[in-house]
Amino acid sequence: GAGVSQSPSNKVTEKGKDVELRCDPISGHTALYWYRQSLGQGLEFLIYFQGNSAPDKSGLPSDRFSAERTGGSVSTLTIQRTQQEDSAVYLCASSFKGSGYGYTFGSGTRLTVV
Amino acid sequence: QKEVEQNSGPLSVPEGAIASLNCTYSDRGSQSFFWYRQYSGKSPELIMSIYSNGDKEDGRFTAQLNKASQYVSLLIRDSQPSDSATYLCAVNSWNGGFKTIFGAGTRLFVKA
Repeated sequence: GAGVSQSPSNKVTEKGKDVELRCDPISGHTALYWYRQSLGQGLEFLIYFQGNSAPDKSGLPSDRFSAERTGGSVSTLTIQRTQQEDSAVYLCASSFKGSGYGYTFGSGTRLTVV
Repeated sequence: QKEVEQNSGPLSVPEGAIASLNCTYSDRGSQSFFWYRQYSGKSPELIMSIYSNGDKEDGRFTAQLNKASQYVSLLIRDSQPSDSATYLCAVNSWNGGFKTIFGAGTRLFVKA
């Protein structure tokens, strides 16, 4: 596609529920990243997929968070048993090769846990 | 823990002036450096990348890199009110794998 597409754009969920966030990267981009940004804060790295390599999961804050990337394209970030501190904007980005190149970000998913 | 530090601001400059945004980083092995612009309520947008010491110019923007001092800067000439945004410095470093670490950003206000 023309850009990185994320869905949903907004999600309100009750504490304890599971949520799935979707990211469709730019066609041909082999690298895909998930970050989250809390209100007024910087970007926190979550996970990085590069081609067929094992993902770098070092930024996932707890085992309630997981992500997969199917067929080297679309990625889903899953948060189980959501907590209020999970409320943030979840940003997906892709790049042509790896993290040594600049990213193109999607418009983000604003998650609110009530 | 690898770090990228920026003055949070806000930095306020009059229209037409030069805005100077600064960033320091802790990892001497860092190889790639980026500036992103983020308007309020929007996602970050890449505006500059720099890989070697010196200056890199693109229109009204100049990125400056000094690896010996571990310092990256962004100059915006002839600042416009539309430049008002948060500017994020990002550094690509090895941390168990190459990943990009973002600073917290500097808020810039350009007064008309």
